[in-house]
Amino acid sequence: NAGVTQTPKFRVLKTGQSMTLLCAQDMNHEYMYWYRQDPGMGLRLIHYSVGEGTTAKGEVPDGYNVSRLKKQNFLLGLESAAPSQTSVYFCASSYRVGTNEQFFGPGTRLTVL
Amino acid sequence: AQKVTQAQTEISVVEKEDVTLDCVYETRDTTYYLFWYKQPPSGELVFLIRRNSFDEQNEISGRYSWNFQKSTSSFNFTITASQVVDSAVYFCALSVLNFGNEKLTFGTGTRLTIIP
Repeated sequence: NAGVTQTPKFRVLKTGQSMTLLCAQDMNHEYMYWYRQDPGMGLRLIHYSVGEGTTAKGEVPDGYNVSRLKKQNFLLGLESAAPSQTSVYFCASSYRVGTNEQFFGPGTRLTVL
Repeated sequence: AQKVTQAQTEISVVEKEDVTLDCVYETRDTTYYLFWYKQPPSGELVFLIRRNSFDEQNEISGRYSWNFQKSTSSFNFTITASQVVDSAVYFCALSVLNFGNEKLTFGTGTRLTIIP
């Protein structure tokens, strides 16, 4: 089992460019999440999904969009990148929220110039 | 709303010393889960423990132990006889069973450095 994988691992964007981060899990988990990690802020939830075809906003959703067309994949999109979106992005999945731990991907380090 | 506070931003101890990482949480829900995650220098988050709100028994796993006290809303983590490999950022997190508003709330983390 690969667990949770993220593509790409690193990316540098210019302000205004767009990109999509891909998260894939092979554990048949229903729940998937996107977080961003900033120094001194811990992890903050951007968007999450409770199943294929469903998405919901988290704590800091502005400037991001997501899609969950397949159960195993969760995409995070930045339509017009801003320097404030420079961060490390983590994807996670769980069998269900609350009772089960989340399994995290290795992270994507994004820099927006 | 849920909140997790890790007041210790950074801790440094000499190898083989014991160290306790504090975690204080806030929630109005009676059913909730508490977690600890470790983030080593490699960057990945590693699950350490889960505890539900109805189970206040302390847990020990090797050199790691956790003290859950509902009376003080705390879920502290102790490493005994610390080792250099314990150097990492440790996150405490809280999850409540609230259908339609389910999420994991993280603290800001404590960076632990073990000095050889």
